[in-house]
Amino acid sequence: EADIYQTPRYLVIGTGKKITLECSQTMGHDKMYWYQQDPGMELHLIHYSYGVNSTEKGDLSSESTVSRIRTEHFPLTLESARPSHTSQYLCASSRLSPYNEQFFGPGTRLTVL
Amino acid sequence: KNEVEQSPQNLTAQEGEFITINCSYSVGISALHWLQQHPGGGIVSLFMLSSGKKKHGRLIATINIQEKHSSLHITASHPRDSAVYICAVNQSSGGTSYGKLTFGQGTILTVHP
Repeated sequence: EADIYQTPRYLVIGTGKKITLECSQTMGHDKMYWYQQDPGMELHLIHYSYGVNSTEKGDLSSESTVSRIRTEHFPLTLESARPSHTSQYLCASSRLSPYNEQFFGPGTRLTVL
Repeated sequence: KNEVEQSPQNLTAQEGEFITINCSYSVGISALHWLQQHPGGGIVSLFMLSSGKKKHGRLIATINIQEKHSSLHITASHPRDSAVYICAVNQSSGGTSYGKLTFGQGTILTVHP
């Protein structure tokens, strides 16, 4: 069973608020990822990290930012939430090896009013 | 044209039927993944393949590297198998794996009792 956690699971918030979505894993994985998924659509990579102090932008442009100060923790922040940010956000982690099975968190469903 | 294509997009079956979901890709890969996403969003990794065939319980996954095609089979399907099944690939080029996943659009499977 994967040990990767996301909080909150559901968040409804007003426009303009700053939010941080939390992601933690206890597997000691170096790689971590954030995906965005709109209902009925495929996942899109928005951020990833190879390890502490490493952050990279993914394939889908996002106004969010991430940080990786500790191996186990990869929070995603939106400075000013907008209705267009309404989506599901999934965090994942994997080992550094090329053949990397990714373990997914349960997701955060964000609604911005 | 997407780099990872799944078919069918929607699949309805009666309990006990044998099910096949197909995945074709147009890029070089180091590995292919089959994922399962239940309503509520959580994603579980079912298989990671780089060649041949893998079996886990009633699930079988095969890959043909030359034809750039993979199939996921479910034997003796059950209503609890109802979920979205997602094919994803680790792209590689010149022997270097980028590690990031490229996702298909998913196949929505509904199994009726």
